[in-house]
Amino acid sequence: EPEVTQTPSHQVTQMGQEVILRCVPISNHLYFYWYRQILGQKVEFLVSFYNNEISEKSEIFDDQFSVERPDGSNFTLKIRSTKLEDSAMYFCASQTERSGNTIYFGEGSWLTVV
Amino acid sequence: QQQVKQSPQSLIVQKGGISIINCAYENTAFDYFPWYQQFPGKGPALLIAIRPDVSEKKEGRFTISFNKSAKQFSLHIMDSQPGDSATYFCAARNSGTYKYIFGTGTRLKVLA
Repeated sequence: EPEVTQTPSHQVTQMGQEVILRCVPISNHLYFYWYRQILGQKVEFLVSFYNNEISEKSEIFDDQFSVERPDGSNFTLKIRSTKLEDSAMYFCASQTERSGNTIYFGEGSWLTVV
Repeated sequence: QQQVKQSPQSLIVQKGGISIINCAYENTAFDYFPWYQQFPGKGPALLIAIRPDVSEKKEGRFTISFNKSAKQFSLHIMDSQPGDSATYFCAARNSGTYKYIFGTGTRLKVLA
């Protein structure tokens, strides 16, 4: 079964450093997402991406965050200057089309900011 | 308006019993309601989903009941098994957006 793959599975970074989280969505999917989950809390929407541009973003997704799809397969989330409160599990997700199908999540990248 | 309220926060059920998790919403523009199952250290996995024009959907031991007028929906797990022990999230999608709003999760433990 096709799946969303994410790397790295776990990253520890110093506060203030830049982090790039990578995702390979399911190949025929058109919509891409980043969500995050702080330990023990609910899954929170960060951003959606379609047709090489951001479709929607949450208030969490401030100027420190950016996304891109540099080569047509990878989908990346960049955090420019990490803060302690950015420590969370970051999930990439993808979807074939907005109506009808739901989103499929990767296994997540666990980011620890120290 | 954009919240999905989920209860209970945690649930303990005997093997073979019925697990029931409830969600409620306010936004009538939500048009799709999936349930996700999450095991520790893993991403949420789609379990079952329903649209508001259907009152019930059943897949194996999992059933969603949907009450559009009350703006509530629930997940029933019949014949609960220890392997069902996980965190369950309800979610809702606003028809005008691409984002899904998740409930706060229910940690289910099924005792052997």
